[in-house]
Amino acid sequence: SQTIHQWPATLVQPVGSPLSLECTVEGTSNPNLYWYRQAAGRGLQLLFYSVGIGQISSEVPQNLSASRPQDRQFILSSKKLLLSDSGFYLCAWKGEGDTQYFGPGTRLTVL
Amino acid sequence: AQSVSQHNHHVILSEAASLELGCNYSYGGTVNLFWYVQYPGQHLQLLLKYFSGDPLVKGIKGFEAEFIKSKFSFNLRKPSVQWSDTAEYFCAVSYTGGFKTIFGAGTRLFVKA
Repeated sequence: SQTIHQWPATLVQPVGSPLSLECTVEGTSNPNLYWYRQAAGRGLQLLFYSVGIGQISSEVPQNLSASRPQDRQFILSSKKLLLSDSGFYLCAWKGEGDTQYFGPGTRLTVL
Repeated sequence: AQSVSQHNHHVILSEAASLELGCNYSYGGTVNLFWYVQYPGQHLQLLLKYFSGDPLVKGIKGFEAEFIKSKFSFNLRKPSVQWSDTAEYFCAVSYTGGFKTIFGAGTRLFVKA
């Protein structure tokens, strides 16, 4: 069966510091992968998606970036965090019939 | 731009009350419709989905949703809620042939025991 992992689970970072969040998927090959940010009252905001290695589509202009160095690995990064980057970050893969399967998420607090 | 609108951001009900959460999506073609649920401390997970056929779909834990094409709506219902239904509910839409799923802002449901 398919499993999706995210780490770290929680992260507290100072403003201006770099960021790297990792997501890996097991049990499937060549998945479509997604990064979302969940903020209270704003639902899930799609940040990036990827349909294959090295292929990244950005949905929202901001100081975040994403990379997909391997088929089942998706990384969310920033060179310098802003206060507004605080939130709950979810990785997901798209299964049959467009169903999204979500990881446990990373709670990021930028101070 | 494609969008999903959920009518209520916070709902408080007593146990055994009936539930209906509204969801509307913007027109953009043939759609797949979803309700996802996030229970406290758990992953966001699929509650039910509509792709085609019977517009009334049934999901886990007694939930159902009705797709009304003419109204671009996909409302979620449950005849009698339980305390364990306390969660955040998200309506979502994907368009056939697309890569993205669009989510609504979510509705926080609190059920009083």
